[in-house]
Amino acid sequence: DIQMTQSPSSVSASVGDRVTITCRASQGISSWLAWYQQKPGKAPKLLISAASSLQSGVPSRFSGSGSGTDFTLTISNLQPEDFATYFCQQANSFPITFGQGTRLEIK
Amino acid sequence: QLQLQESGPGLVKPSETLSLTCTVSGGSMSSNTYYWAWIRQPPGKGLEWIGSIYDSGTTHYNPSLKSRVTISLDTSKKQFSLKLNSVTAADTAVYYCARPTIATPYYMDVWGKGTTVTVSS
Repeated sequence: DIQMTQSPSSVSASVGDRVTITCRASQGISSWLAWYQQKPGKAPKLLISAASSLQSGVPSRFSGSGSGTDFTLTISNLQPEDFATYFCQQANSFPITFGQGTRLEIK
Repeated sequence: QLQLQESGPGLVKPSETLSLTCTVSGGSMSSNTYYWAWIRQPPGKGLEWIGSIYDSGTTHYNPSLKSRVTISLDTSKKQFSLKLNSVTAADTAVYYCARPTIATPYYMDVWGKGTTVTVSS
């Protein structure tokens, strides 16, 4: 199985800040990576596929990069609605595996 | 717009079988087009993929659950189902059904709202 490790596990930031979340795969996965946003009591929402491809309707302040084993999700100009938990997920092979999540909190 | 809705008992006794159904609305379950998936999230924890089924009936399961899981598809009813047997308290979670984007089983772009299942006597 491919293990996905996110860091940090939590981060505090203010509205208007820029935040970067990192995800590392235990083996190379090319660009086969997704990022999800989850708000309390809600299902996850797909933000980014193929490491950097923004889903329709997702604000351009979200961006993803990386390939191989190291990936980042960057949120620029944080908005109040961005405070949530973010998960990465490898899309290279079964079994599908997720990172443990990064909780983005308001400072 | 495609919507998914999970249904099933919210309480299951230890050692019994957890059975959930996901009903698809606002779209079709076309043959050989999409995968359909089950994912769960224990309280306060991360996401765990349970398994996926292709329109053709081909299944893929999480190795950690494979001996206890069955996922099936009923396109005539526009439903797919999850059965998890011999449950324990560790199976307590919110269970989501999801559908990945076309042509790939991996990018989950449509999700149900989730249903909470508690394993307790």
